[in-house]
Amino acid sequence: RKEVEQDPGPFNVPEGATVAFNCTYSNSASQSFFWYRQDCRKEPKLLMSVYSSGNEDGRFTAQLNRASQYISLLIRDSKLSDSATYLCAVNMITTGGSYIPTFGRGTSLIVHP
Amino acid sequence: NAGVTQTPKFRVLKTGQSMTLLCAQDMNHEYMYWYRQDPGMGLRLIHYSVGEGTTAKGEVPDGYNVSRLKKQNFLLGLESAAPSQTSVYFCASSYSPDRGGNQPQHFGDGTRLSIL
Repeated sequence: RKEVEQDPGPFNVPEGATVAFNCTYSNSASQSFFWYRQDCRKEPKLLMSVYSSGNEDGRFTAQLNRASQYISLLIRDSKLSDSATYLCAVNMITTGGSYIPTFGRGTSLIVHP
Repeated sequence: NAGVTQTPKFRVLKTGQSMTLLCAQDMNHEYMYWYRQDPGMGLRLIHYSVGEGTTAKGEVPDGYNVSRLKKQNFLLGLESAAPSQTSVYFCASSYSPDRGGNQPQHFGDGTRLSIL
């Protein structure tokens, strides 16, 4: 079982729809959680960090559920430009004692007219 | 600021050849990372470094070596390239989590490497 898991999708939604992605992680001691956006053949770019109390940035809302060990990303009023792959990243402790990010495989979102 | 710069952006090698990928960051980040990304596999960590002069193995280190002689540079070497190493390679850097708070990664724009 992979340490960080995401539904690969694709999620195919019409403009204006609300869509939600989940990302589960295996290590309860994980710290720091992130959502990145990756466009085709481009590098990942930070979309938002995920804080314990949940946080919102415009149409995007991220939440953390430590008890069930998952993070979520909600996108409201989807735009065509939201079409991309969304990667979650979870900082996990290594044998050397450092917290290093582990990525999920990504969820593909396609927003159509 | 340039951020994270990777060179080269594209390269074609023959099996058995060697090469070095260079990553440079100008943000004074302590941590640096090398990933490979293959279709359907997501980002897989090859090696990482938590500071100048230190390196550690990630999830898929075999066939690769790294060096971090200067804080701003992280080199990835392929000693004897194999077709299985055909991939897109991303370098990233971040502040240490010891600084507190969430410290996200900043990525270079990738190196597309083909091994024939």
